[in-house]
Amino acid sequence: NAGVTQTPKFRILKIGQSMTLQCTQDMNHNYMYWYRQDPGMGLKLIYYSVGAGITDKGEVPNGYNVSRSTTEDFPLRLELAAPSQTSVYFCASTSVGQGPFGYTFGSGTRLTVV
Amino acid sequence: ELKVEQNPLFLSMQEGKNYTIYCNYSTTSDRLYWYRQDPGKSLESLFVLLSNGAVKQEGRLMASLDTKARLSTLHITAAVHDLSATYFCAVDLRGTASKLTFGTGTRLQVTL
Repeated sequence: NAGVTQTPKFRILKIGQSMTLQCTQDMNHNYMYWYRQDPGMGLKLIYYSVGAGITDKGEVPNGYNVSRSTTEDFPLRLELAAPSQTSVYFCASTSVGQGPFGYTFGSGTRLTVV
Repeated sequence: ELKVEQNPLFLSMQEGKNYTIYCNYSTTSDRLYWYRQDPGKSLESLFVLLSNGAVKQEGRLMASLDTKARLSTLHITAAVHDLSATYFCAVDLRGTASKLTFGTGTRLQVTL
């Protein structure tokens, strides 16, 4: 099993550009999440999804969009990139109602906006 | 709004010493997680604590949960250099949706 796969691992964007961060999980988890981690800080929730077709905002959603058309995929879209979006982005998933209560994290995407 | 606070934020300790990291949270919760993060890496799950009084141990690390005090501790016994990393606690408020709220992390440096 691959677990949670994120692509790309690194990206440099210019201000105003757009991009999509990809996230795929092969564990049939129903819940998926996007977090960002700024240097020296904990993770903050951007968006989450409780199943295909259902998404909701987290703590820091401004400047981002998500969609969930399948159980496996949960892409994060950045529109009009800004320097404040320079961060490391982690995708995570878990199964709610199915156990064993753990969250699985991807390896992260390091994004720099210049 | 759920707040999760860790202390200390930075801990430098000598090999062989013991120390405790504290995690306080502001709202009733029934699940608390501890993660380890090495520089430039993702999060590695250490412990999942599911009930009041839960205690789990793995090697030199032991985690406990007191839901009445809204406090979890991560105790390090006889620290070794390999334990140098950043440790995060995270609280899961399961209800209409399950979401993790993270503490700011404790950067542990174990010196020889």
